Amino acid sequence: NAGVTQTPKFQVLKTGQSMTLQCAQDMNHEYMSWYRQDPGMGLRLIHYSVGAGITDQGEVPNGYNVSRSTTEDFPLRLLSAAPSQTSVYFCASSYLVNQPQHFGDGTRLSIL
Amino acid sequence: QKEVEQDPGPLSVPEGAIVSLNCTYSNSAFQYFMWYRQYSRKGPELLMYTYSSGNKEDGRFTAQVDKSSKYISLFIRDSQPSDSATYLCAMSAAFQGGGADGLTFGKGTHLIIQP
Repeated sequence: NAGVTQTPKFQVLKTGQSMTLQCAQDMNHEYMSWYRQDPGMGLRLIHYSVGAGITDQGEVPNGYNVSRSTTEDFPLRLLSAAPSQTSVYFCASSYLVNQPQHFGDGTRLSIL
Repeated sequence: QKEVEQDPGPLSVPEGAIVSLNCTYSNSAFQYFMWYRQYSRKGPELLMYTYSSGNKEDGRFTAQVDKSSKYISLFIRDSQPSDSATYLCAMSAAFQGGGADGLTFGKGTHLIIQP
């Protein structure tokens, strides 16, 4: 019973590098989302998806890209990493957009 | 307006005390209310999920919603050191389909239970 799995758990990047944060869920949830969590800022929505092939922007989408080719997977891409993107990133999923979301354990990302 | 207000704490209480955690909100469209617990270096985990006004009890935890005052609470009875964590409230409007208004989170209250 894996739930929401995020990889990697930790990553250090240099400014300008690109990378993909992976997220997979095994609960057949339609709704998936990416948040970043920063001290004093709470959880901020980056991108979300209401089903395979459908994605949209959240509150803080700049510098990030997503795609959803399957129900299970929802990767987050950093196009050109910047120090301001140093954060903890959480992926979450739920059956419907207004229902409780299940979270992964996060990816801790540092941009030097 | 989607803003949800939550005191960041830290809130420090002795073991065995009753803990009261609260959130206020401004959007009268919110119908679903949740409390999450987040341990250090972990993702938030769902504790309580309630619809509309009223109380819901689960073991040592009680969630209370007062929609007329736009105020929700989480009570923890017989608090334990293992309850030390950050507690986030979350809420959503009652609609189906997509949209950025999925869940609106408070910023979390850091709770410390002293042995």
